[in-house]
Amino acid sequence: DIVMTQAPLSVSVTPGESASISCRSSKSLLHSNGITYVYWYLQKPGKSPQLLIYRMSNLASGVPDRFSGSGSETDFTLKISRVEAEDVGIYYCGQLLENPWTFGGGTKLELK
Amino acid sequence: QVQLKETGPGLVQPTQTLSITCTVSGFSLTSYYMQWVRQTPGKGLEWMGFIRSGGSTEYNSEFKSRLSISRDTSKNQVFLKMNSLKTEDTGVYYCARDRAGDYWGQGVMVTVSS
Repeated sequence: DIVMTQAPLSVSVTPGESASISCRSSKSLLHSNGITYVYWYLQKPGKSPQLLIYRMSNLASGVPDRFSGSGSETDFTLKISRVEAEDVGIYYCGQLLENPWTFGGGTKLELK
Repeated sequence: QVQLKETGPGLVQPTQTLSITCTVSGFSLTSYYMQWVRQTPGKGLEWMGFIRSGGSTEYNSEFKSRLSISRDTSKNQVFLKMNSLKTEDTGVYYCARDRAGDYWGQGVMVTVSS
């Protein structure tokens, strides 16, 4: 199985500042079709996960453009610019390249 | 608008079978994959399997021997059935639309205990 490793486990951010979350995969997530199958989700407290970024760098519908995704074949970054109170929660990366699809362990974002 | 809602038993005894229904609205099951993901204290988020828009299925081998996903398109429902439950299966079970999971249900908490 492809292992997804996130860092840090938690991050504390001052509102208005930016935050970055890293994710590393144990295998390249670049498909021969040129698409990199890494996804980012946010689980707000007490809620279901919600899709933020699909295929490494594409913003999901309704997601503020303060969120952005980037990376290579195995190393990926979610950046949040101008963090707001509504961004608090646990962020997960996931890979949809191979069965079984797998997720990282999560990064908790808190406000200072 | 798009909505998904899971319904199922809150408590299941070990060795028994879990049955959860995901009822959807605002889109057609014949146009989208539907997947099941669970969240357990021990393993976090785990993808369980999906049913394609055409009706074929694919499962995580972790569950393959005891998991079944099916649907009734006339009722806009997707079903999860998993047998031989263990205490480690305790967690929240979600249905989600499409490969990416662009919409999720609110989840149903399942406790496996005698």
